[in-house]
Amino acid sequence: DAGVIQSPRHEVTEMGQEVTLRCKPISGHDYLFWYRQTMMRGLELLIYFNNNVPIDDSGMPEDRFSAKMPNASFSTLKIQPSEPRDSAVYFCASSFSWATYEQYFGPGTRLTVT
Amino acid sequence: DQQVKQNSPSLSVQEGRISILNCDYTNSMFDYFLWYKKYPAEGPTFLISISSIKDKNEDGRFTVFLNKSAKHLSLHIVPSQPGDSAVYFCAARARDDKIIFGKGTRLHILP
Repeated sequence: DAGVIQSPRHEVTEMGQEVTLRCKPISGHDYLFWYRQTMMRGLELLIYFNNNVPIDDSGMPEDRFSAKMPNASFSTLKIQPSEPRDSAVYFCASSFSWATYEQYFGPGTRLTVT
Repeated sequence: DQQVKQNSPSLSVQEGRISILNCDYTNSMFDYFLWYKKYPAEGPTFLISISSIKDKNEDGRFTVFLNKSAKHLSLHIVPSQPGDSAVYFCAARARDDKIIFGKGTRLHILP
């Protein structure tokens, strides 16, 4: 398996623009997690899905953030409109339901909003 | 309010010696404790876990110790190797499957 795939790896955009981050989890994994890493806050959970259904989105910072999982092999995290404070590395991770502590992370998307 | 705390931002250890990374937590309802390792420009990688009902788990050079009364866990790496230089995240799983991460400790293995 190729592991968790994220695209793009780097994204530079201007304030006010829409940004869409993409994730393909490992086949067979039924949990998917979106995280954000910043120097100030470390690695924080934004939202997670079980069998494509959002379970907990309490970590999503504002209504500008939204996430979808239309099928078992694809998820998106959208920021609209983007702001400079959204600049961070965004990670997607997936796991089996019986071992949600063992998550497999993608390489991350480094987002810069100018 | 940090539920998982790693108080040492960085640690330097001589190659071949023991590396000890420490972590404290506040929530007694965590059921699993974890260590993840992260290299630059890569995502974190799961390293080792321990159930809350155990006090030690060993996997090769890596051993995790859990002291529930002190709400403290540690990761021992023996012997330390150059490839161990990375950021190590302590984490804990809550009953709702959420993983709470600490801010990480950067480990430098010195030649």
